[in-house]
Amino acid sequence: DIQMTQSPSFLSASVGERVTLSCRASQNINKYLDWYQQKLGEAPKLLIYNTNNLHTGIPSRFSGSGSGTDYTLTISSLQPEDVATYFCLQRNSWPRTFGGGTKLELK
Amino acid sequence: QVQLQQSGAELAKPGSSVKISCKASGYTFTSYAMHWIKQTTGQALEWTGYIAPGSGGTKYNEKFKGKATLTVDKSSSTAYMQLSSLTPVDTAVYYCARYSYNNYGGYFDFWGPGTMVTVSS
Repeated sequence: DIQMTQSPSFLSASVGERVTLSCRASQNINKYLDWYQQKLGEAPKLLIYNTNNLHTGIPSRFSGSGSGTDYTLTISSLQPEDVATYFCLQRNSWPRTFGGGTKLELK
Repeated sequence: QVQLQQSGAELAKPGSSVKISCKASGYTFTSYAMHWIKQTTGQALEWTGYIAPGSGGTKYNEKFKGKATLTVDKSSSTAYMQLSSLTPVDTAVYYCARYSYNNYGGYFDFWGPGTMVTVSS
């Protein structure tokens, strides 16, 4: 199975700050990498698919990049409503595997 | 609008089975695969498997073969996941998620609210 490692596990940032979350795969996943946001008590919500495609209705402050084994989710200007846990998911190989998550809090 | 409505929380004894449901509405049920994802209280997410409602074809995470069985009822647009021989390790929230795709790729675009399964004697 492909192992997905997210860093950092916890991140504290201020409103308006640029935030970068990382996800590393144990092997090349050919950009089949999605990002999900999960708020407390809710189901995960799709933000970005195939590395850099913004899902419908997602604010443009969210963006994704990467290739090979290394991928990044960037929030250009952190908003209070962005407090959540963020997960990456690889869809290159079976079984699909998720990263352990980055919990994002406000400073 | 697309909605996935999941059945309520389950409290089950070790060794028993539960069958949780995911009722879809707002789209053609047979046109989209339904995936199931397990989330433990530590927040780790595990992909369990998927079913293609039109054909009934399934694919499972090897880890969940023999544990999870996916079925559908096309007449009611409902997907089911049965979990058998339950142990405390199966305690988790289970989500159903619709798999969609466009020219740029595939993704889980709609998720159910989750069903909490607690295994305890």
